Amino acid sequence: GIQVEQSPPDLILQEGANSTLRCNFSDSVNNLQWFHQNPWGQLINLFYIPSGTKQNGRLSATTVATERYSLLYISSSQTTDSGVYFCAVGSYTGTASKLTFGTGTRLQVTL
Amino acid sequence: KAGVTQTPRYLIKTRGQQVTLSCSPISGHRSVSWYQQTPGQGLQFLFEYFSETQRNKGNFPGRFSGRQFSNSRSEMNVSTLELGDSALYLCASSILAGLGETQYFGPGTRLLVL
Repeated sequence: GIQVEQSPPDLILQEGANSTLRCNFSDSVNNLQWFHQNPWGQLINLFYIPSGTKQNGRLSATTVATERYSLLYISSSQTTDSGVYFCAVGSYTGTASKLTFGTGTRLQVTL
Repeated sequence: KAGVTQTPRYLIKTRGQQVTLSCSPISGHRSVSWYQQTPGQGLQFLFEYFSETQRNKGNFPGRFSGRQFSNSRSEMNVSTLELGDSALYLCASSILAGLGETQYFGPGTRLLVL
């Protein structure tokens, strides 16, 4: 099956700093999503981005499908950005739907 | 539009018991997937249902089963609970299966097996 690797595993930032999270995947995909897991466990959708670039406020993401990686940029980080960020990819056969998750990047933003 | 809902939110069971978890997808969504999250194994796919049919199944023992009803609501059942089944169980929904759509997750059910 598809392998998904995320780096770095842990990241500590001061408020206001910028960061880049990386997701590498081992095969062609037609679904890639970035999630933020809040302290209560809920996965919050950040981006659906199987290819290209998207921006939403202080967050942006880029996926280069031909090179099998995606990047999540967080600018001017805030303490509320703390949590675990997951990349998940899907490769569909027929109509079956399945996401394979990376191990996540744990981000802590300090004052 | 209401999001994905899961009940119960927290559950404590003892080894050998069985448990049923429920998931109501976003209105209009027909695909429901289940995932297990543990500190050791991370997030792992359990199964996916579409129009009351199981479309895909992850690598879990037969003690884990599920079903989907005609209103797209889904349940998963774990029989003969083991300590290792303690986990956060997450449900996700999307409009259609297999079209590379965004999946939306519920808040999860936290299961503790004693």
